[in-house]
This record gives sequence, structure tokens and C-alpha cells, in this order.
Amino acid sequence: EVQLVESGGGLIQPGGSLRLSCAASGFTVSTSYMIWVRQAPGKGLEWVSMIYRDGSTFYADSVKGRFTISRDNSKNTLHLQLNNLRGEDTAVYYCMRGGGYWGQGTLVTVSS
Amino acid sequence: QAVVTQEPSLTVSPGGTVTLTCGSSTGPVTSDHYPYWFQQKPGQAPRTLIHDISNKHSWTPARFSGSLLGGKAALTLSGAQPEDEAEYYCLLSYSGAWVFGGGTTLTVL
Repeated sequence: EVQLVESGGGLIQPGGSLRLSCAASGFTVSTSYMIWVRQAPGKGLEWVSMIYRDGSTFYADSVKGRFTISRDNSKNTLHLQLNNLRGEDTAVYYCMRGGGYWGQGTLVTVSS
Repeated sequence: QAVVTQEPSLTVSPGGTVTLTCGSSTGPVTSDHYPYWFQQKPGQAPRTLIHDISNKHSWTPARFSGSLLGGKAALTLSGAQPEDEAEYYCLLSYSGAWVFGGGTTLTVL
């Protein structure tokens, strides 16, 4: 059974950094494309970043240069490094596997 | 960046049929966009109904179907149930970048 469990969210001051993790089970992260999606309070879904099986990465313009997606094959885990955080980054962050398997999300709140 | 367009809101009668659409500002939606459809209810994570135009998951009710229709991706609900009242989002691929539609609020009334 495919399962994704996000962690690492929390309250962080503007300009700060966080690393989100998405622990996978039931499949190998390196064999699927993986996506990070976020949802600001009361807003729609926003695509954030993607990593393909070959390791190529892509980012939304809103996070390019500040966020970095990566995977740890030894731990079968996807990561999202969030740097230079802004108030508008406040959201629930979800990971999704290609084919449409979702985690439950982790909340990031950027506030002083 | 491309803009993905969905109907902001739709209403369907119980037992009725409704089609939600997903258009792209760059031109017709094709299989190269790998269209997804998601359902989200308040306070819950999104749930995938359809991937790659028309592929369903084991949890996708049979009354939902996906297709390409008139240059758009389409999600058709046949025989609407009260529990289908939710927000529906589509997602399209643009050669590495992905873009969500703004969502459709579906009311079953």
C-alpha cells in the first residue's frame, strides 16, 4: 500500500528556513516522479516543485531560488528545503506521488 | 506561465449529470498535459479521482469519468450524490512545470 507521511512543518519567522520531509512506503521514491503542492489558508492548490525519476527538478516561479527539492534514496524520503521564507509561504504543504497518491500535509506558518 | 481555467462554480441536482472542464491558455489540452482531477472537502487533503485523462483509482466512484472534450480536459459526474459536494481541481503538466486550475465549487442541490 502506498503511503506518504509529511513532517517538518511549524512556526517560523520571516527569513527563516525549514526542511520538510515526506516519508514514503509501499513504493520507491526514485522510481516515481514526486511533487510538492501547497495550499494557503482558504485558497486553492498551488504546485510548488517536482523531481523526476532521472533527478531533474522544476520549481514554480514563486519559490525558485528559495526552495530546493531532493530525495534520499537510502531513506526512501522526499525533502523540500524552504529558505528565506515569507508570509505568503504560509500553507499546508503536501507531497504527491505520480499517479496521484497524497500525504496528509504539514502546516508551515511564517510569522513574527 | 500557463493559466489553467475551470468553472468557478457549478450546481447539479441529485441524480443529475454535470461536466467540469479544464482549459489551458496555451491551446488545446492533450494527453501531453497528463490531466489530473482532484476532489477536496473542507478540512481534508485532496483526493485523486482521475489521472492521465481518464484513469481511475480503486477508490474513485464509478460515477466519475475523465476525458478530453472540445480541447479541454473534462470530468463528468453521472448520478450526483450529496457527498459529491466539494471543491474540484484539475492539474496540467507543462514539460516539467505543473499548473493547477483555480478549482470548481460543486453544489449538489
